[in-house]
Amino acid sequence: EDQVTQSPEALRLQEGESSSLNCSYTVSGLRGLFWYRQDPGKGPEFLFTLYSAGEEKEKERLKATLTKKESFLHITAPKPEDSATYLCAVRVGGSQGNLIFGKGTKLSVKP
Amino acid sequence: DTGVSQDPRHKITKRGQNVTFRCDPISEHNRLYWYRQTLGQGPEFLTYFQNEAQLEKSRLLSDRFSAERPKGSFSTLEIQRTEQGDSAMYLCASSLVTAGNYGYTFGSGTRLTVV
Repeated sequence: EDQVTQSPEALRLQEGESSSLNCSYTVSGLRGLFWYRQDPGKGPEFLFTLYSAGEEKEKERLKATLTKKESFLHITAPKPEDSATYLCAVRVGGSQGNLIFGKGTKLSVKP
Repeated sequence: DTGVSQDPRHKITKRGQNVTFRCDPISEHNRLYWYRQTLGQGPEFLTYFQNEAQLEKSRLLSDRFSAERPKGSFSTLEIQRTEQGDSAMYLCASSLVTAGNYGYTFGSGTRLTVV
């Protein structure tokens, strides 16, 4: 069965304290790995798509990397406005529309 | 274009009633998706359309759920005979499938509470 597991479930950081979020996956034929940010009461906001092992993408303080078994979302020098739930999702072979999401990591950044 | 719009934002209904939600995707997007999200969980796929054709449905989508996308524009999701277990955030997303780009844009969702 295709599975996506995110860790940790929650992460508290001080402003400026860099860290990484993990997304491990067990799927039959990865067709893309997606990172989203979700604020309370809102829909997920698209951040990155990664397609192959070794690929990296950056946006401001965020950098996403991909290996054959997992993806990391690195947050450099976070600010309080980076506080949100970060969701990882995969698209698998055999499905044209279905994204399988993990449960997310809730990030809190304290000033 | 202001993104994906969903209406209503909140809906409270009594158990056994029917409810209908509407989603207006980004106009140039050809794919439209419905997801359901409960507290502390990631979104779960329900169904998706390419233009007006419904191409995939999740096993989660019982026969009380029906979705339509007439003319390939807006979509509606109807839940008949609501149950307390239907309480969740219903999310709509759209995408333009081009050359492997599958970035989905989500709306803000409709929060359903069944009492």
